[in-house]
Amino acid sequence: NAGVMQNPRHLVRRRGQEARLRCSPMKGHSHVYWYRQLPEEGLKFMVYLQKENIIDESGMPKERFSAEFPKEGPSILRIQQVVRGDSAAYFCASSPGDGSYEQYFGPGTRLTVT
Amino acid sequence: AQSVSQHNHHVILSEAASLELGCNYSYGGTVNLFWYVQYPGQHLQLLLKYFSGDPLVKGIKGFEAEFIKSKFSFNLRKPSVQWSDTAEYFCAVNAVGSARQLTFGSGTQLTVLP
Repeated sequence: NAGVMQNPRHLVRRRGQEARLRCSPMKGHSHVYWYRQLPEEGLKFMVYLQKENIIDESGMPKERFSAEFPKEGPSILRIQQVVRGDSAAYFCASSPGDGSYEQYFGPGTRLTVT
Repeated sequence: AQSVSQHNHHVILSEAASLELGCNYSYGGTVNLFWYVQYPGQHLQLLLKYFSGDPLVKGIKGFEAEFIKSKFSFNLRKPSVQWSDTAEYFCAVNAVGSARQLTFGSGTQLTVLP
């Protein structure tokens, strides 16, 4: 039973480029969450999605960041025109969507902006 | 909005010592509480959770936590740590009936000396 998959595990981008981070939830899970972990800090919620719907994006920066979870395929977190301050570990989590509050985390993507 | 405090940023213990990591949250309503562990180079794993019922919950690998509602606390304990417990530990909370996202503490790095 595969867990939450994220790719790439490491991503290096120059300032101004775009970063695309992918997350495949656990089999049977229909809810996806994205979190960001800055150095020396805990994880901070960014966005909560269900298939084809953004449920809560209260933690997303207002500009340059977007997320989607299409009917088919992985969830994508997209960062346009990256800046050095976007360097962080980005974690995806999934949950079954049956009322369960448990979230299962992927290995994360470490984004480095040079 | 809820917040979580983990007051110990770095704890160093010798093997066989007892462990207690503090976690306090602020939120006036009903919460679900979690402890996650992140071993070096690995993703977050759920150690234990509290939803309701017995406030003393047991998790994997000999860990337990006690929910004390009057103190808004959910401290993690283990009677005898092992070198393999070296990891970062995160306390997290979400508010029942509202947003599903987890609010994390800043984490406690535990180092167990052999």
